[in-house]
Amino acid sequence: DQQVKQNSPSLSVQEGRISILNCDYTNSMFDYFLWYKKYPAEGPTFLISISSIKDKNEDGRFTVFLNKSAKHLSLHIVPSQPGDSAVYFCAAHTNTGNQFYFGTGTSLTVIP
Amino acid sequence: EAQVTQNPRYLITVTGKKLTVTCSQNMNHEYMSWYRQDPGLGLRQIYYSMNVEVTDKGDVPEGYKVSRKEKRNFPLILESPSPNQTSLYFCASSSSVSSYNEQFFGPGTRLTVL
Repeated sequence: DQQVKQNSPSLSVQEGRISILNCDYTNSMFDYFLWYKKYPAEGPTFLISISSIKDKNEDGRFTVFLNKSAKHLSLHIVPSQPGDSAVYFCAAHTNTGNQFYFGTGTSLTVIP
Repeated sequence: EAQVTQNPRYLITVTGKKLTVTCSQNMNHEYMSWYRQDPGLGLRQIYYSMNVEVTDKGDVPEGYKVSRKEKRNFPLILESPSPNQTSLYFCASSSSVSSYNEQFFGPGTRLTVL
């Protein structure tokens, strides 16, 4: 059973506009969330993370928001650039376990 | 250069022929893990290792074996591959299993089992 879900397989955005990628989870024991970015023929690379004690974390053009009551997180990219075109995975972890759980990924296309 | 390497990058094999995919990291990381990526299913953890000689099952361990005899190496073994193991495999490592340590991924191994 998928504990981390990304319900939008793909997203297209115009360059310069905001990209919003969403992620939902079911396990209330998750205490840390991460976003990874993946280009074709490469492994995923870490992008940004957030602890469950926070509701927002910002790093340059990337901001992650966490809504614990809704079990929902989102990644905002502002402004979007063509180089942001990639597949984005959200992942979650519990502080009592040793496993990481990944979503199914959202393919972002930024149109010049 | 800090990196995770996997070999081979591409492999086509036949059902039942044992194979090993190697994974090595040069960052002295304690935690290593194998994932498979399938369309519509995302990344799923196969096995992970907290440290040398410590391994445990992830979500989809059936049909796979691993070993961790040295800190830097974490090979994935398919004793009798089947077509449903056709997938894209990633090895990853992090300094510890703590949530706060990002994982570094290898470039991936695309496996086809005929």
